[in-house]
This record gives sequence, C-alpha cells and structure tokens, in this order.
Amino acid sequence: SQQGEEDPQALSIQEGENATMNCSYKTSINNLQWYRQNSGRGLVHLILIRSNEREKHSGRLRVTLDTSKKSSSLLITASRAADTASYFCATGSARQLTFGSGTQLTVLP
Amino acid sequence: SQTIHQWPATLVQPVGSPLSLECTVEGTSNPNLYWYRQAAGRGLQLLFYSVGIGQISSEVPQNLSASRPQDRQFILSSKKLLLSDSGFYLCAWSGSGLLNEKLFFGSGTQLSVL
Repeated sequence: SQQGEEDPQALSIQEGENATMNCSYKTSINNLQWYRQNSGRGLVHLILIRSNEREKHSGRLRVTLDTSKKSSSLLITASRAADTASYFCATGSARQLTFGSGTQLTVLP
Repeated sequence: SQTIHQWPATLVQPVGSPLSLECTVEGTSNPNLYWYRQAAGRGLQLLFYSVGIGQISSEVPQNLSASRPQDRQFILSSKKLLLSDSGFYLCAWSGSGLLNEKLFFGSGTQLSVL
C-alpha cells in the first residue's frame, strides 16, 4: 500500500487564492518530499522537509510537518494558472521512495 | 548542470512485440538510476533501481527487465509486451551518497500496448 496519501484527490480554485494539500503517512520518517507533475511530464522536486523540522518555505510554497499526526501539508499562496498540476508527497530514502496518489490542482484564470 | 534524457516520448506497440526504452544522464557520475511506472491518475510504482553498472534491483515481478550497460545509461526492456504493460514510464536519477535523497525525473514515455 502507499505510504503517503494526499488529500483531497482533486482541488479547483480561482487564481489568486491559496491552495492547501495534505499528506498522511503511516510509518516513521526521516524526511518528506513534495513533487509536482505537469500533465504528461516527469515529476519535479519542490521541497524536502526533515523530521526535525516543523515548517519550511520556498517562494510561494509553505510545507508543514506534524510527526505526531504523521501528516504534512503543502500550501501554495497566491496561486497562478501555471500552478495547475498534480502534487505528490513522498517518503523514504531515494532508493525506496514511496509516492502517494497525488492531488490534482486546477487553478482557474 | 545535470540533465536526464528519456526517449521516446510516446510509443504505441502491439501485444507480443519487444520494448526498449532508454534513459541517459549527463553531468554527474555514478548516479543511482530508477525506472518507475505510473498508471493513469495514480502515484508511481518503482520497477527497478541500479546503484552501478550491471547492478539491477527489481522491486516487483513483471514482464519487464532493466539493464545498465554504462554508468549513465539505463534501459528498460521487454521481450513480449502485454496489454497490462501500458502506462507512463519515468526514468529518474539521484546522487549516490547517503544524503542524496531527491529524485530528478526524465520527461516520461507514454506506452500504449494494443
């Protein structure tokens, strides 16, 4: 079974709004990563947060990690149409990286 | 800078035909290399990974095989394709050190077996 599961499966918002996606996982982790995938393309690494970190920022991205609840969230602020993509969380080492099934984000202009 | 090339982008093959997908990495040496498959609307399933030339680990039993004839070349093959082999195949690489946790993906191959 998947280690990480994203919620919601699909999210549709207006341009300029914030988008929040959640990820839950089952076992203890050393770090958690978020990736983005444009339709029909490969995944692009967005951000990695370690188990001893609670929050991390990168541009318009904000990731939080709650190891007690085994969950993470990805917030995209001031969304743009170009943010339309699928977003995946992943846990484990690179050799055993386990991906969730993703959240499909649609940002409407 | 490092780049990863994967081809072809799209492939339509009849059932029972062979398959060869190729992936090459530039700008790094001794990378870890990976083949993933992604079903429509789903997450990624790791098929194979390699830590060096000729060293292949298979994650799931299947109709596919992988080879690494050169340090930065990774090939996914099949002798006879099945309908169930259809999917989106992604090659990826990571650094070989213990702290290299990020994956860098190719642009993918959409395989349709008819």
